[in-house]
Amino acid sequence: SAVISQKPSRDICQRGTSLTIQCQVDSQVTMMFWYRQQPGQSLTLIATANQGSEATYESGFVIDKFPISRPNLTFSTLTVSNMSPEDSSIYLCSVVGDSSYEQYFGPGTRLTVT
Amino acid sequence: AQSVTQLDSQVPVFEEAPVELRCNYSSSVSVYLFWYVQYPNQGLQLLLKYLSGSTLVKGINGFEAEFNKSQTSFHLRKPSVHISDTAEYFCAVSGWETSGSRLTFGEGTQLTVNP
Repeated sequence: SAVISQKPSRDICQRGTSLTIQCQVDSQVTMMFWYRQQPGQSLTLIATANQGSEATYESGFVIDKFPISRPNLTFSTLTVSNMSPEDSSIYLCSVVGDSSYEQYFGPGTRLTVT
Repeated sequence: AQSVTQLDSQVPVFEEAPVELRCNYSSSVSVYLFWYVQYPNQGLQLLLKYLSGSTLVKGINGFEAEFNKSQTSFHLRKPSVHISDTAEYFCAVSGWETSGSRLTFGEGTQLTVNP
């Protein structure tokens, strides 16, 4: 399985600002995913990020709010723009394993917006 | 579209007791099923997976799950739980109709193991 790290691990931000979350993988992977986990809830897929192409966003998520970069096969960033308290969540990145069906997750970034 | 239903939001048990966390799914095509565990303040860890073959799947930490196609279920079991098993457990499904890798998660089951 891949080893995934995320930065920052947690942050407290003010309303109206933006935060960029980094996801680093210890091996080259084709597909990376970004998820949101709101307090006490399950995971919701934000977007799929493939290297060399635009990210694919799920219904309810837009590029202006959650811009994603994928500059190479080991790194991706997710920006949460113009934040509001409703954006307070855990944001997790994941990568696809060797079987192409299992996913491995980073430790998450815990975001609180005040 | 695929969906996953975890039938219990909270399961309290005593240490060394057996436990079953229930998961049902709906899909019109072949599926791949997963159980993940999330310990407090941590990310998700893959417990076990069913891709094909034997319907009884063994995972880490003594957990196992059984794929039942006729009942569209993938229940997670452990014969004797420990305090350290206290965590949130998520059932997830992916399949051909969602481009293979896209996971759909259930709402989660909080397992609390009491001494």
